[in-house]
Amino acid sequence: AQKITQTQPGMFVQEKEAVTLDCTYDTSDPSYGLFWYKQPSSGEMIFLIYQGSYDQQNATEGRYSLNFQKARKSANLVISASQLGDSAMYFCAMREGGSSNTGKLIFGQGTTLQVKP
Amino acid sequence: DTEVTQTPKHLVMGMTNKKSLKCEQHMGHRAMYWYKQKAKKPPELMFVYSYEKLSINESVPSRFSPECPNSSLLNLHLHALQPEDSALYLCASSRGHSSSYEQYFGPGTRLTVT
Repeated sequence: AQKITQTQPGMFVQEKEAVTLDCTYDTSDPSYGLFWYKQPSSGEMIFLIYQGSYDQQNATEGRYSLNFQKARKSANLVISASQLGDSAMYFCAMREGGSSNTGKLIFGQGTTLQVKP
Repeated sequence: DTEVTQTPKHLVMGMTNKKSLKCEQHMGHRAMYWYKQKAKKPPELMFVYSYEKLSINESVPSRFSPECPNSSLLNLHLHALQPEDSALYLCASSRGHSSSYEQYFGPGTRLTVT
């Protein structure tokens, strides 16, 4: 069964420093997508970055990059040059793409990031 | 434009009330979703609509009734809710069910059942 694990309930980072949020996943489907979302206290889930299981290169979107290690089944989010506005909860998520694909997005438990001035 | 809108932003209702949550997207997405989220927890999938047809119901109690009147609109009708149904209700849409399609979320409706 597919599963997403985020082992860091809470993280602190100093403003302007980089931070890595961990995510490991488990699936038997060779085709899947990995996503990171940010959820500020206002509640809206904001899509940040996507990595496909067949992608050869790590995804990057501005200050966000995804450290994809397929053999280790990890998809860590790296935020460079942290800003105060990065303080939020971050969710790692996965969708399978095989014959059992139902469109379901499976979420990890989330990591709360606090950026210190 | 990657906007999904939801109304109302906040809703307080009694256990005997009937109310509806509304979700709208104009991105031409053919898959739409309802999620329920409790504080400090991940969203839990409730319903999936694909091409305006209900494709997944995650064993949601019948006091929640989804409706997809057209490809842009998704409603969630609420009736005889319980206090434990108080949560943030999120709507999302995506181009389809491919594993490469991200879901775009609305801002949510914060529901309080008294």
